Amino acid sequence: EVQLLESGGGLVQPGGSLRLSCAASGFSLRSFAMSWVRQAPGKGLEWVSVISSSGGSPQYADSVKGRFTISRDSSTNTLYLQMNSLRGEDTAVYYCAKAYCSAGSCYSVFDYWGQGTLVTVSS
Amino acid sequence: EIVLTQSPATLSLSPGERATLSCRASQSVSSYLAWYQQKPGQAPRLLIFDASNRATGIPARFSGSGSGTDFTLTISSLEPEDFAVYYCQQRSNWPITFGQGTRLEIK
Repeated sequence: EVQLLESGGGLVQPGGSLRLSCAASGFSLRSFAMSWVRQAPGKGLEWVSVISSSGGSPQYADSVKGRFTISRDSSTNTLYLQMNSLRGEDTAVYYCAKAYCSAGSCYSVFDYWGQGTLVTVSS
Repeated sequence: EIVLTQSPATLSLSPGERATLSCRASQSVSSYLAWYQQKPGQAPRLLIFDASNRATGIPARFSGSGSGTDFTLTISSLEPEDFAVYYCQQRSNWPITFGQGTRLEIK
């Protein structure tokens, strides 16, 4: 059974840093692209970052480029999001999400999501 | 960045009725449009990918159509569990973008 479990959220001051983790089970991160998607309180979904199945070619939303870094540890099957220079507008629930694959093709849409971890940036 | 505009913002219908939700892209996304359902306190659930393909395990009452800039999600006969917020998402161009959502509420 595919499961994604995020952790690492919390309250941080503006300008601070946090590292989010997403422990994956039931599949290998080496086989699927993975993304982070966030949702500010009461708002819609915003894609944040993606890392390919090979571990390369990271992409970022302009709103986080230069501040956030996506990475993974294949030995522990864990996805990470290092968040630096945090701002109030980064306050959100952060979800990790797995790319959907079917019949040998994979798509940049998301079929499994974690439960989310809340990041609050406030003084 | 491709902007996705969903309409209406809120749709009020009764169980058993047909729901039609729209998503318009600011430029062509070909058929690279997906739909998600999100219930309060839950993560989104993938319903449709590439405009008209149901994801694994999605009931046949959900269908998607469209191409280019105009897309529709149709729920043929609403079940009580279908009342939720629905988002569209394009994967045609980076960055991936989502629409602002349509809230489907019980009338």
